[in-house]
Amino acid sequence: DQQVKQNSPSLSVQEGRISILNCDYTNSMFDYFLWYKKYPAEGPTFLISISSIKDKNEDGRFTVFLNKSAKHLSLHIVPSQPGDSAVYFCAASLYNAGNMLTFGGGTRLMVKP
Amino acid sequence: EPEVTQTPSHQVTQMGQEVILRCVPISNHLYFYWYRQILGQKVEFLVSFYNNEISEKSEIFDDQFSVERPDGSNFTLKIRSTKLEDSAMYFCATGTGPFQPQHFGDGTRLSIL
Repeated sequence: DQQVKQNSPSLSVQEGRISILNCDYTNSMFDYFLWYKKYPAEGPTFLISISSIKDKNEDGRFTVFLNKSAKHLSLHIVPSQPGDSAVYFCAASLYNAGNMLTFGGGTRLMVKP
Repeated sequence: EPEVTQTPSHQVTQMGQEVILRCVPISNHLYFYWYRQILGQKVEFLVSFYNNEISEKSEIFDDQFSVERPDGSNFTLKIRSTKLEDSAMYFCATGTGPFQPQHFGDGTRLSIL
């Protein structure tokens, strides 16, 4: 099942710079997209989401961009902080399928001081 | 901040035995979900549950699996006769509705011997 893909398994960024995490999807029926952050031995923590009727949503240091024509989603973190170091998952939801989330494989972000 | 609570954190069970995983949702959440993550693989959807019935289930959620909300607070996942391949981290998630984020517990690590 490759409906949601995160092609970069890891990303290293200097503190204070921008982190850009990318996600691609294949199912044009997805109608809601989310980003989660995960630390070892914890569950995914919700960060930010976007409905398919929008192309941008911002919450503090986090901005999610949605390009429906390209079936591409990205998360921008500005400025990046060492505490942002974690694995980031994108997920896509289908309302007509019980709101089930389909997850990408994750990108490990390392923010260096 | 309210959180989803899962018990036990780790369950070790002999193959063929029944296991029940428990989840206490955030109090005003009415939508409930189970996901699992096999080591090294993506987080996978199992089932969604609303208004005391299953809304959607995946191919993984076969006759060996069941869910219920026995007392109006706990939300449980039962595996009737466990198999080695059921070994995984099982996450409960709850939410307030469609197009709203799902909030995850820290998971139960299930080890089948």
